[in-house]
Amino acid sequence: AQTVTQSQPEMSVQEAETVTLSCTYDTSENNYYLFWYKQPPSRQMILVIRQEAYKQQNATENRFSVNFQKAAKSFSLKISDSQLGDTAMYFCAFSGLDKLVFGAGTILRVKS
Amino acid sequence: DSGVTQTPKHLITATGQRVTLRCSPRSGDLSVYWYQQSLDQGLQFLIQYYNGEERAKGNILERFSAQQFPDLHSELNLSSLELGDSALYFCASSVDGHNEKLFFGSGTQLSVL
Repeated sequence: AQTVTQSQPEMSVQEAETVTLSCTYDTSENNYYLFWYKQPPSRQMILVIRQEAYKQQNATENRFSVNFQKAAKSFSLKISDSQLGDTAMYFCAFSGLDKLVFGAGTILRVKS
Repeated sequence: DSGVTQTPKHLITATGQRVTLRCSPRSGDLSVYWYQQSLDQGLQFLIQYYNGEERAKGNILERFSAQQFPDLHSELNLSSLELGDSALYFCASSVDGHNEKLFFGSGTQLSVL
């Protein structure tokens, strides 16, 4: 079974600085997708960024980028120029042949 | 706004009762997914439907059931409720039944007292 591990329960960062959230996963599949979802206090689940495993190039969405290391099964999220609105729970997720599996989440607090 | 509508937003009920949660997917999406988010279990996949048929099953209890209707809306029925069923229940939808692009509703917060 696939597992997703987020080893940082909580993190904080100063506004305008850069922060990296870690995620590792375990799978025997070769073709899959990886995601980062954001859950702000409103509890809405918002897709931040998506990576296809067969693509070597790391995905980027504005201030959000990933460092995808397929051999190491690592998928970290970098947030540049952190903003107060980035304060949220961030979930790493894996999707292979069947269901979407989520990690336990990392609470990120952006401080002014 | 994701386009996925869940009702009600909040539900308070007592142990032993039965409730129904409703989800309308985004226009054009054929697949609906149900997830449960609780403090101790995190986000758990419950069940997926595609065009009215069950496609995948996760950690769904026998006391829970779901269906997707011809108009593609879905209902999640929870019966013989226990305190531990208190959670945020999410519905998500996708166009083609694959997980690459899910759109989540805002959830139904269930409190069992």
